[in-house]
Order: sequence, then C-alpha cells, then structure tokens
Amino acid sequence: AQSVTQLGSHVSVSEGALVLLRCNYSSSVPPYLFWYVQYPNQGLQLLLKYTTGATLVKGINGFEAEFKKSETSFHLTKPSAHMSDAAEYFCAVTNRDDKIIFGKGTRLHILP
Amino acid sequence: DAEITQSPRHKITETGRQVTLACHQTWNHNNMFWYRQDLGHGLRLIHYSYGVQDTNKGEVSDGYSVSRSNTEDLPLTLESAASSQTSVYFCASSGQRSNEQFFGPGTRLTVL
Repeated sequence: AQSVTQLGSHVSVSEGALVLLRCNYSSSVPPYLFWYVQYPNQGLQLLLKYTTGATLVKGINGFEAEFKKSETSFHLTKPSAHMSDAAEYFCAVTNRDDKIIFGKGTRLHILP
Repeated sequence: DAEITQSPRHKITETGRQVTLACHQTWNHNNMFWYRQDLGHGLRLIHYSYGVQDTNKGEVSDGYSVSRSNTEDLPLTLESAASSQTSVYFCASSGQRSNEQFFGPGTRLTVL
C-alpha cells in the first residue's frame, strides 16, 4: 500500500529565501507523484506532477520537485520565496491503479 | 470553462438530521471523489465513484453515503449527522484513475 510522509507540519522561511518542503513516499510500484497547494478558504490546485521521464519536474509559480527513487523522496523547492506563497502544501502518491493518497500537509509561512 | 462546484459552501445543522452536500462537475470526468479535511489529518477519502452506478467506500465512509446517477453529479449524504462530522468537505474529479484530480471549493459543515 502507498503512503506519504510530509516532514514538518509548519515551515517558516524569510521572503526571498529558499523554500524546501519535504515529502517521502512508500509505493510497491513506480509511483505517480503530485504536489498540490491550498490557499485559505479554497480547494486544492495542482502545482506539479511526476509520472514518467524526467525526474526534475517544473510546476507553476516557480516551484519544482525532483523524484529520487533511491531516497523515495519528492521534495518541493522554490529558489526565492514570495509572500504570496503562504499556503498549505500537500504531497500525494498513487500506484497508478488506485486512488491518490495525500500527505497531511505542510503549512508554509513567509516572514517579511 | 469546465469546473467543479459544491453547494452549499457553508452549512450548519443539528445532530441527527440528514444532510446532503452537492457536487457538480462539467469536466465530463468519469471519476469523482469526496474527502474530508480536518486539522492534523490532511485529506481523508470518504467515498469515490469510477462511473455511473459505481460507488466505493473510502477510509472514513461510516455515516456517509453517495449515489451516482449521472456523470456530472456525486451527492454526499450524511444519514444522521454527528458532531464528529463537523469538517470541511471537498469534492474532486479526474479523467483517469490515478491521474490528477480537480477540486471543488469545499463545503464547511458544522454539526451542533
């Protein structure tokens, strides 16, 4: 069965600093991996996804994530944080034949 | 533009009442999902459907039911609302199994 672990329920970074949100997954087969973002009082929207091919995936708003099979990780990064990045971020995994499993989320705080 | 909508956006009800939350999508997606979001738990799957007349239980299905009579709609019914069902409910849809899901804006339900 698949599972997702997001390290840190809250992460704070200064505006302009590197954003790093950690995600580790467990899957018995090559996974599909997703990062979603949720702004206050809104639904989730897709930031980026990995299915096959290039392991470095670029998404919207300057975010990217790298699939590392040996580390079973799919960490989300952004070189320079902006105040508008403050939101909750969810990592998710699927084994392609079943439902998507979401992590518990990481709330990103941006310090001025 | 295709979209997924939920109604009502906010609902207050009393313990023991039957409540139905509506979800309507115009993506023409076969797959539809209901989640609840609670602090510390992330998103948990309640029920899902892979097509008309198909429904399946998720990890937290007790006290909830769904029916799928057409492609566009998957209403979620709480047969006898309980205070433990106070939560934010999200509906989502996808075109293929295990592919990215598109989320509605959510319904905040309070059971008094």
